[in-house]
Amino acid sequence: GEDVEQSLFLSVREGDSSVINCTYTDSSSTYLYWYKQEPGAGLQLLTYIFSNMDMKQDQRLTVLLNKKDKHLSLRIADTQTGDSAIYFCAESPPYSGGGADGLTFGKGTHLIIQP
Amino acid sequence: DTEVTQTPKHLVMGMTNKKSLKCEQHMGHRAMYWYKQKAKKPPELMFVYSYEKLSINESVPSRFSPECPNSSLLNLHLHALQPEDSALYLCASSQVAGSGISQPQHFGDGTRLSIL
Repeated sequence: GEDVEQSLFLSVREGDSSVINCTYTDSSSTYLYWYKQEPGAGLQLLTYIFSNMDMKQDQRLTVLLNKKDKHLSLRIADTQTGDSAIYFCAESPPYSGGGADGLTFGKGTHLIIQP
Repeated sequence: DTEVTQTPKHLVMGMTNKKSLKCEQHMGHRAMYWYKQKAKKPPELMFVYSYEKLSINESVPSRFSPECPNSSLLNLHLHALQPEDSALYLCASSQVAGSGISQPQHFGDGTRLSIL
């Protein structure tokens, strides 16, 4: 079965780097995602990585994938107050016959920014 | 700004009411999804449409009735809901998978539903 695990809280100082970690169990996952959810809002697709990649960088965001350990991390450089949100790790399985399938989400990590 | 638009943003209804949630996307995606999210929990999949046909129903009670009238629109018809159905309802869309590779899903801002 599929399971995605994350720590529930992370507290960092403004200007420091934040590293949010995630472990998953489905070795056949194709894409792994990071979504951001601010209070009262929907999910914003932050970045994603294909399962045959090790790293992806996009401005302040760096995603690292260790497929052997089934470990995914999101690093946010120079963390700002606007980064305060819940960050969900998610995986998608290879598609079923219909061509689309739901995502399996972790419980979400609440990123708290200290001034 | 999200490219998936959901209306209304908020909805309060009684247990005997009938209402509908609407979702629209113009990204040319042919897969659309409904998720339910309770407070402080991750989203849970309800339904998946692929090429306007229902492909996944995650054992959702019949008081929730999805409809996909065309490739850009997705509705969720609500009838005789219970207080425990109060939640954020999220719509998402994606390209349909090709060559066995799932595609990223883009979410709307959701409809916050309260059942009195």
